[in-house]
Order: sequence, then structure tokens, then C-alpha cells
Amino acid sequence: SFDLTQPPSVSVSPGQTASITCSGDNLGDSFLSWYQHKPGQSPVLVIYQDNRRPSGIPERFAGSNSGKAATLTIRGTQAMDEADYYCQAWDSSTDVVFGGGTKLTVL
Amino acid sequence: QMQLQESGPGLVKPSETLSLTCNVSGGSISSSSFYWGWFRQPPGKGLEWIGTIFYTGKTFYSPSLKSRVTKSVDTPKNQFSLRLSSVTAADTAVYYCARLLSGFDAFDLWGQGTMVTVSS
Repeated sequence: SFDLTQPPSVSVSPGQTASITCSGDNLGDSFLSWYQHKPGQSPVLVIYQDNRRPSGIPERFAGSNSGKAATLTIRGTQAMDEADYYCQAWDSSTDVVFGGGTKLTVL
Repeated sequence: QMQLQESGPGLVKPSETLSLTCNVSGGSISSSSFYWGWFRQPPGKGLEWIGTIFYTGKTFYSPSLKSRVTKSVDTPKNQFSLRLSSVTAADTAVYYCARLLSGFDAFDLWGQGTMVTVSS
């Protein structure tokens, strides 16, 4: 198995761009997804297959994957975007691996 | 629209077996487009994958939990289940079920979660 590393916390001012990174040695071998998780709620898929947005996810959410590091970018960050964000990859195509999560604070 | 709903005991004694069920409504669990997953989040910690199952019974388990986990699918009831044996306080968590959409390679639909506490 492999590890995904995320910064524990990221702060951003409203209206600015937030970037959350996810690093790991095997990112080039796997599609990467991102989940938004607010306290007391279910996780929500915001990015899948590295850079695709599910229906209903605002365009301000974008993803990229260079093979060594992936980034979730939130442009024009809003107060409602404050949450924990988790990256998720696949190990050996069948096992799910999560990053440790990043707490996004909108100051 | 498909929905997932977890159900479970809420409180389990140490060394006993935790049993959870995820009821799928608004769609068929037997669709070849979906796999079904179990996850958990201990208090103050991150998300953890427990395992994934296909409606045929094909399963994939987290290496760290594999020795204690059993998953099953009940297609007539349109639900899938999780059994975690020999629980300890470390298994205290919110447990979620989720749907893996094969075309997405991601879990696009989640249940609301159910809190399970392991305590005597």
C-alpha cells in the first residue's frame, strides 16, 4: 500500500483561491478523487478522475494530478466551502487509500 | 433518486461483533454499474476505508481490517452488510456506506452515517 500526504490545514480569505495538495509516490498509477466533508454531514464527492466535477459541484472547484502531486483548487472561495477535504486514490486498482485530510478555514 | 441508509446497534461491547446494514432505495443493488463500500471516521480522525463489495459477492477489504471484516450482499432486500468482529474502543467511529460508480472510479453517493460506540 502507499500513503497520501495532505497538509493538516489551509487558510484562505473569502473570494481568494485555496489550494490543497495531496502527494504520494504512486499518484501517476491511479485516478484521484477529492471529497468535501463537513461536520455532522456525509462526505461529498467534488472531483473525480483527477479533474472532473460531478453534476452539481460548482465550477470554482478544480483538480489536477501531475503524477507525484495532486491539487484541489477552489477559486473564489466562499464561507460555505469551509470543511475537511480528503484526497483518495487506488492501490492495485482495488484498494482505497485516503489522505489524512486537510481542514480548510475561510477567514 | 438512489439513497443509502445505514442502520446499526449504536453501542457494542468490547470483544463482540459489530453488525451494520446499508439499505439501498431508489435503485437496484444488483446494477453492474455500482460497487458498494463501507467507511468509518473515528472521533477526531480522518476517513478510513473498510471494504468494497459487488452485488455478486466479490469483495475487497482493507489490509488492516481484513482479518476481522465480513461483507455480504442481500439482493432481494436490496441491502448490503458489514460485520466487524472482536471490536475494541478503537473501532468507535461514525460508519458510512457509499456507492462506487464504476464510470467515476469514485464514491459518488454516501449514506448519512451511523455512530457506533464500543464500550462496556
